[in-house]
Amino acid sequence: GQNIDQPTEMTATEGAIVQINCTYQTSGFNGLFWYQQHAAEAPTFLSYNVLDGLEEKGRFSSFLSRSKGYSYLLLKELQMKDSASYLCASLDSNYQLIWGAGTKLIIKP
Amino acid sequence: ETGVTQSPTHLIKTRGQQVTLRCSSQSGHNTVSWYQQALGQGPQFIFQYYREEENGRGNFPPRFSGLQFPNYSSELNVNALELDDSALYLCASSVYNNEKLFFGSGTQLSVL
Repeated sequence: GQNIDQPTEMTATEGAIVQINCTYQTSGFNGLFWYQQHAAEAPTFLSYNVLDGLEEKGRFSSFLSRSKGYSYLLLKELQMKDSASYLCASLDSNYQLIWGAGTKLIIKP
Repeated sequence: ETGVTQSPTHLIKTRGQQVTLRCSSQSGHNTVSWYQQALGQGPQFIFQYYREEENGRGNFPPRFSGLQFPNYSSELNVNALELDDSALYLCASSVYNNEKLFFGSGTQLSVL
């Protein structure tokens, strides 16, 4: 079967760094996405990895290991506005996105 | 702002009724995907339309159907509504074979 696992909830402090992990098992693999979703809003694109390694984009970085079926999203210099759900999604062999349930990130002052 | 608009934003229906949700794609995008997102869950793929034809379908019954129009806007129709159909329905547009999706703000459907 197809499965995406990520923690349900995480808490971090403003100004700190947090890493959100994701493991995936899908029928084929054509890339790994991270989306941010604030409450009652649409998901917004953060990153796309298809090759192994780290992709850095400002305060956010995303890492992929295809051999381990593993990715993480790294958020630095956390701000209160980063409080949101972070969704990991794998693009399978049919180019369909398989989504995790999301990690709710709570930022405390 | 993604340029993808959905209507209505909120909707309340009763069990057994039918509903139509609408989506306007971002300019230049020819592919529309629909997702159902239950509270606290990730989006579940319903189907995708490309050039007015269904181009992939998730594990949803036939009472979920769709249309795509020549201007690439789209509709999602759900017949014989059930209580479990209560969810946020998201439309996402993209360019075919480009995996990056742009989501609309969604339609929150409540079935009573």
